[in-house]
Amino acid sequence: DTAVSQTPKYLVTQMGNDKSIKCEQNLGHDTMYWYKQDSKKFLKIMFSYNNKELIINETVPNRFSPKSPDKAHLNLHINSLELGDSAVYFCASTQGQEQYFGPGTRLTVT
Amino acid sequence: GENVEQHPSTLSVQEGDSAVIKCTYSDSASNYFPWYKQELGKRPQLIIDIRSNVGEKKDQRIAVTLNKTAKHFSLHITETQPEDSAVYFCAAKHNFNKFYFGSGTKLNVKP
Repeated sequence: DTAVSQTPKYLVTQMGNDKSIKCEQNLGHDTMYWYKQDSKKFLKIMFSYNNKELIINETVPNRFSPKSPDKAHLNLHINSLELGDSAVYFCASTQGQEQYFGPGTRLTVT
Repeated sequence: GENVEQHPSTLSVQEGDSAVIKCTYSDSASNYFPWYKQELGKRPQLIIDIRSNVGEKKDQRIAVTLNKTAKHFSLHITETQPEDSAVYFCAAKHNFNKFYFGSGTKLNVKP
């Protein structure tokens, strides 16, 4: 099922680098999210956009910058990567109630 | 804000037994309560949900109950099978489409 897709699936990079993760949904949903899942599996919301407008911005370092070029896309750019950024990043979208997740991007910072 | 607590963190049952996972929430304004199943290396997938105007919902071997007064909701899996083994997350949806997740329950169904 490709309703919510993310690229890349795996990302291995060195500390200090800048990287981007892309997300696309073809469900026609208005709201998209970025979540971070750490090694203990806890799902933490980072950002949410509704119709290209930022509506949720949790306490996330400003090295993380989301961008929504249109309703179907929400990208995440990370500057100056740190070891603690290693995690699985999930994109999700919702219309009304039900939320659907992308396959995740496993980011490893070495 | 909302605070969702989930118990237990791990649960081991014998195949065929029932499994129950419980969650509590703090904000009475939360109005939608989904449950997700996450298999190893996969995305969380919605398995069942309940809205605040309903007390119970069932889908085959899975059921969810909601007690709005006590602010808790539970996932019940009957006749568990090895393929039910996964991490299960509860969540509560609050204002502005914000979802608060529980910390997850790792369910192990022993054959």
